[in-house]
Amino acid sequence: DAGVIQSPRHEVTEMGQEVTLRCKPISGHDYLFWYRQTMMRGLELLIYFNNNVPIDDSGMPEDRFSAKMPNASFSTLKIQPSEPRDSAVYFCASSWTGGSYEQYFGPGTRLTVT
Amino acid sequence: QQPVQSPQAVILREGEDAVINCSSSKALYSVHWYRQKHGEAPVFLMILLKGGEQKGHEKISASFNEKKQQSSLYLTASQLSYSGTYFCGTDSSGGYQKVTFGTGTKLQVIP
Repeated sequence: DAGVIQSPRHEVTEMGQEVTLRCKPISGHDYLFWYRQTMMRGLELLIYFNNNVPIDDSGMPEDRFSAKMPNASFSTLKIQPSEPRDSAVYFCASSWTGGSYEQYFGPGTRLTVT
Repeated sequence: QQPVQSPQAVILREGEDAVINCSSSKALYSVHWYRQKHGEAPVFLMILLKGGEQKGHEKISASFNEKKQQSSLYLTASQLSYSGTYFCGTDSSGGYQKVTFGTGTKLQVIP
């Protein structure tokens, strides 16, 4: 399997612009997670889905952030409008109910908002 | 609430042992351990379930004290490949999927 795929790997944008991060989970996995990692706050869970349904979005920082999972093989995390404090590495991870609860992380998207 | 890890950083020489601690203020159902190498994604090491046994593989093992809401990761006879940042993730909901990660322990193994 190719593992969790994220795109783009790097994104540089100006404050106020819309940013869309994409994730393709491992085939057969029914859980999908979005994390944000910064030096100050560490690895934070933003939202997670089960069978394409959002289960817990309590980690989403504010209304500027939104996430969707239209089908089992694709999810997006959108920031509109972006701000410099959104600069971070965003990870997508997936897991499956019948597994060992291991989360498989994608390579991450490094977002820089200037 | 984020679990607290200690120490924040440690430097070891090859062959030395280390213990990384993780403490939560909430009752825990499971504790997950991950390692992240610089510039890479976190990689799963193991999970410890409430009522379960101490886990381990090769020279990395862990324990889970449910009453104290603490877990410890043990690295014995460290190798250069053990270098990285170690994160504990705690599950207070019982679903084993939603994990709150600690701030990490940076481990550096030197020759």
